[in-house]
Amino acid sequence: DVKVTQSSRYLVKRTGEKVFLECVQDMDHENMFWYRQDPGLGLRLIYFSYDVKMKEKGDIPEGYSVSREKKERFSLILESASTNQTSMYLCASSRQDIYEQYFGPGTRLTVT
Amino acid sequence: DQQVKQNSPSLSVQEGRISILNCDYTNSMFDYFLWYKKYPAEGPTFLISISSIKDKNEDGRFTVFLNKSAKHLSLHIVPSQPGDSAVYFCAASAAGGGNKLTFGTGTQLKVEL
Repeated sequence: DVKVTQSSRYLVKRTGEKVFLECVQDMDHENMFWYRQDPGLGLRLIYFSYDVKMKEKGDIPEGYSVSREKKERFSLILESASTNQTSMYLCASSRQDIYEQYFGPGTRLTVT
Repeated sequence: DQQVKQNSPSLSVQEGRISILNCDYTNSMFDYFLWYKKYPAEGPTFLISISSIKDKNEDGRFTVFLNKSAKHLSLHIVPSQPGDSAVYFCAASAAGGGNKLTFGTGTQLKVEL
């Protein structure tokens, strides 16, 4: 079974704090993705990576950065958290040759 | 610019009847489509997919139909069960797009007893 784990289920941070969200997958997948889910907006792609140390901007990268130092781990960084980054953050992974992505349970981030 | 649209935010169906969830897209480069199901406090799980070379794909109670000329796909669930109550997202991918998926806004399905 593919397993994608995320470091926290719930997180509360203050405006201006630096926030790290970590994601680990155990299926040796090449591709990894970060999304945010907001009511009425669905899932929106923030960043993705198709290899170690590679990253590509998604549809809403502003205010975020990512790091992929190891194949199994993909980190999302909020350099200076703002209240409009309060959201559900979902990590996903997939093999290079298929479209199906496997998701982690999500991190509910609240920025106050 | 919402390239994948699910115009019904919610749908209520009686147990045992058919649920039909709809999805429209605007990007003619999309060539692969997927449906995901999401329960509260869990990540989405893959349900069923269809390639643009087909117009129908079936897996047990779930069937996805694709109408390329109308840029429309639908998910049929027959018979609907209470455990099917969840948010359903359709997603699309374009060849050469690096396996990125573009998701719709989701439809909340409630299957009532």
